[in-house]
Amino acid sequence: AQTVTQSQPEMSVQEAETVTLSCTYDTSESDYYLFWYKQPPSRQMILVIRQEAYKQQNATENRFSVNFQKAAKSFSLKISDSQLGDAAMYFCACRQKSSGDKLTFGTGTRLAVRP
Amino acid sequence: DGGITQSPKYLFRKEGQNVTLSCEQNLNHDAMYWYRQDPGQGLRLIYYSQIVNDFQKGDIAEGYSVSREKKESFPLTVTSAQKNPTAFYLCASSIVRTGKREQYFGPGTRLTVT
Repeated sequence: AQTVTQSQPEMSVQEAETVTLSCTYDTSESDYYLFWYKQPPSRQMILVIRQEAYKQQNATENRFSVNFQKAAKSFSLKISDSQLGDAAMYFCACRQKSSGDKLTFGTGTRLAVRP
Repeated sequence: DGGITQSPKYLFRKEGQNVTLSCEQNLNHDAMYWYRQDPGQGLRLIYYSQIVNDFQKGDIAEGYSVSREKKESFPLTVTSAQKNPTAFYLCASSIVRTGKREQYFGPGTRLTVT
């Protein structure tokens, strides 16, 4: 069974600074997708970024980028130039091709942004 | 506007009553999902459906039931057999035919059972 681990329950960053959220996963397959979702106080889950396991290049979306280390099964999220609106819960998730579209989520990291 | 709607946002029920949570999507997505979120935990999959009139149990299906009579709708019934029904419930949908298949979420329903 696949598992996703987020070892940082809470993180804090100064506005305009950079922060990195950690995620490790365990899967026996070679074909899978990794995601970061953001859940603000409204509790709406918002897709932040996606990484295909077969791609070596790290995904980027504006101020958000990932550091995908396939051998280490690590998938960290870097937020650059942090803004007050980035304050939220962040969830890492993994989808294995063999399990259809089922997502396995980590327990989340709560990010606070200090003005 | 295209999207996923869940209603109501807050729902209150007495213990022993069944309750049905609504989920509708107009994104023309094939697959739909129900997740449960508890404090300090990630999302856990209850049921999912990849096609009309077919659905599969997720990791925590006991005490829940679903139906998928229409592509746009995937209601979840929380039965009296569910021991701890108070939670935040999220519905999601995704396209099946493409490779990326990321899931898009509705705004959620907070269910409180007393």
